[in-house]
Amino acid sequence: KTQVEQSPQSLVVRQGENCVLQCNYSVTPDNHLRWFKQDTGKGLVSLTVLVDQKDKTSNGRYSATLDKDAKHSTLHITATLLDDTATYICVVGDRGSALGRLHFGAGTQLIVIP
Amino acid sequence: DMKVTQMPRYLIKRMGENVLLECGQDMSHETMYWYRQDPGLGLQLIYISYDVDSNSEGDIPKGYRVSRKKREHFSLILDSAKTNQTSVYFCASSVRDRGSQNTLYFGAGTRLSVL
Repeated sequence: KTQVEQSPQSLVVRQGENCVLQCNYSVTPDNHLRWFKQDTGKGLVSLTVLVDQKDKTSNGRYSATLDKDAKHSTLHITATLLDDTATYICVVGDRGSALGRLHFGAGTQLIVIP
Repeated sequence: DMKVTQMPRYLIKRMGENVLLECGQDMSHETMYWYRQDPGLGLQLIYISYDVDSNSEGDIPKGYRVSRKKREHFSLILDSAKTNQTSVYFCASSVRDRGSQNTLYFGAGTRLSVL
């Protein structure tokens, strides 16, 4: 059974609009949650990592929240650009070290149109 | 510039042939990984390597083996490839960052088609 569910599966927005991507998970324990961006035909690039019980991070136009009680995270992208077109992947780690397991969501495909 | 390099980027093989996927990193990371990515699914861990000759099976090791003779190189081998091994394969290496969380650095992937 999939332990990390992302929604929506795909999303189309106009350049300049804001968007929100959702991640719900059932992984236990949930040590941390990371959001990755994957451009078409490329590898995954880390955007941010959330660690605390109720956490918020900000990285330029990207901001993220985590609520471990609800096992829910959001990724907000403000004032989208065409280069934001990519798949965004939510990953939950059950430990902080390499000994832990990473649980990957299937991703949200974001398409930004002019 | 930190980099994980995968070779080749694209590969077509016939069923039953042997396949070698290569991965290199220039960051002296101890831990390296092989994942496969299939449509509609999250990345699945095939093997993890904690250092030279210290390899462990991941979630889907069947049909694969690995080799790590140098810290900077990690190879994935498919002996007698099967059509269901058609996939995109990603190599990654990791280092600890904020709050001691493991950050993974990914290669660009190898798209393998087994006919």
